[in-house]
Amino acid sequence: EPEVTQTPSHQVTQMGQEVILRCVPISNHLYFYWYRQILGQKVEFLVSFYNNEISEKSEIFDDQFSVERPDGSNFTLKIRSTKLEDSAMYFCASLQTSGRAGELFFGEGSRLTVL
Amino acid sequence: DQQVKQNSPSLSVQEGRISILNCDYTNSMFDYFLWYKKYPAEGPTFLISISSIKDKNEDGRFTVFLNKSAKHLSLHIVPSQPGDSAVYFCAARIGAQKLVFGQGTRLTINP
Repeated sequence: EPEVTQTPSHQVTQMGQEVILRCVPISNHLYFYWYRQILGQKVEFLVSFYNNEISEKSEIFDDQFSVERPDGSNFTLKIRSTKLEDSAMYFCASLQTSGRAGELFFGEGSRLTVL
Repeated sequence: DQQVKQNSPSLSVQEGRISILNCDYTNSMFDYFLWYKKYPAEGPTFLISISSIKDKNEDGRFTVFLNKSAKHLSLHIVPSQPGDSAVYFCAARIGAQKLVFGQGTRLTINP
């Protein structure tokens, strides 16, 4: 069964450092997302990406965050200068077509710990 | 932002009985409602959805009910099985792509 894969599974970094989280979405999917879940809190939408550009982003997704799809398969989330409050589980997700609600496939997540 | 709320952080049900998970929402613009299941160290897995124009959708042991006037939906699992023990997230879709999640309810099925 096709799946969304994420690397690394866990990253520990110092505050102020840059972090790149990587995702390989399902190959025939067209829409890509990043969500995050701070420990004990709800899963929160960060950004959606379609046709090589951001289609929507939340207020959390400020200038410190960026996404790109550099080679047609990987989908990356970059945090330029990490803060303590960026510590969370980051989930990548992909969707084949926007018309079908619920067919959002999530990866297993990348846990980011900022010290 | 409390657009989607799950007021019960946890629920314990005996195996074989019915599990009912509840969710409330505030935004009338949501067009689809979904339930996701999440095991520890895994991403959320889609379970079942319902369009805002329907009031019920059934898939095997899982049924979702939508009460638009009350802005309330519920997930029924019957009969409950030990493998159903997980965190269940209610989510609502706005626009074509964005999901707003509730806080989750941890369901424990006791043998």
